[in-house]
Amino acid sequence: QQQVKQSPQSLIVQKGGISIINCAYENTAFDYFPWYQQFPGKGPALLIAIRPDVSEKKEGRFTISFNKSAKQFSLHIMDSQPGDSATYFCAASANFGNEKLTFGTGTRLTIIP
Amino acid sequence: NAGVTQTPKFQVLKTGQSMTLQCAQDMNHNSMYWYRQDPGMGLRLIYYSASEGTTDKGEVPNGYNVSRLNKREFSLRLESAAPSQTSVYFCASRASDRGSGNTIYFGEGSWLTVV
Repeated sequence: QQQVKQSPQSLIVQKGGISIINCAYENTAFDYFPWYQQFPGKGPALLIAIRPDVSEKKEGRFTISFNKSAKQFSLHIMDSQPGDSATYFCAASANFGNEKLTFGTGTRLTIIP
Repeated sequence: NAGVTQTPKFQVLKTGQSMTLQCAQDMNHNSMYWYRQDPGMGLRLIYYSASEGTTDKGEVPNGYNVSRLNKREFSLRLESAAPSQTSVYFCASRASDRGSGNTIYFGEGSWLTVV
């Protein structure tokens, strides 16, 4: 049973455009939602995270939007750059992140010039 | 600042062979994890250790064993490798202290092929 569903599987965006990746979760106990970024040949690294007491969190060009009633959250990358080309994973955890993470299946993002 | 270090980086095994993936972290973290990453499947938790001396099964533990040797080290053993265990394996760690945040830090991965 996949508890965190991520889409799309792959995404191609033109440089300067907005990249949007979506995730949906089922477990209402989840209360910590991080996004991880992974470059080829490397391990994933935390990009940005949100807790359900806010509907949006922004760090530079990266924004998480959170909809608690719909049990959905998304990553928006503004002014996408070729250096943003990577695989992105959403994840969810209960107990404010103190429980183990459940990951989505990943989105391979390619930014083209 | 080594962070999480995994060895080996690449390994080819024959079906039925055994091997151990080693992992060490230098961040004084309490929790350590082993994940496998397969195309279209994301990261799936194999085993984790919430603290030194404890281990628990994750989503996909069959065919694997782990040892939390001490606070720094957490090894993953394949007793009798199968082609279905061909994957990229990631070790990770987390502080498990509310004051230290919830970030999980990953190693750079171990590419394992079973033929």
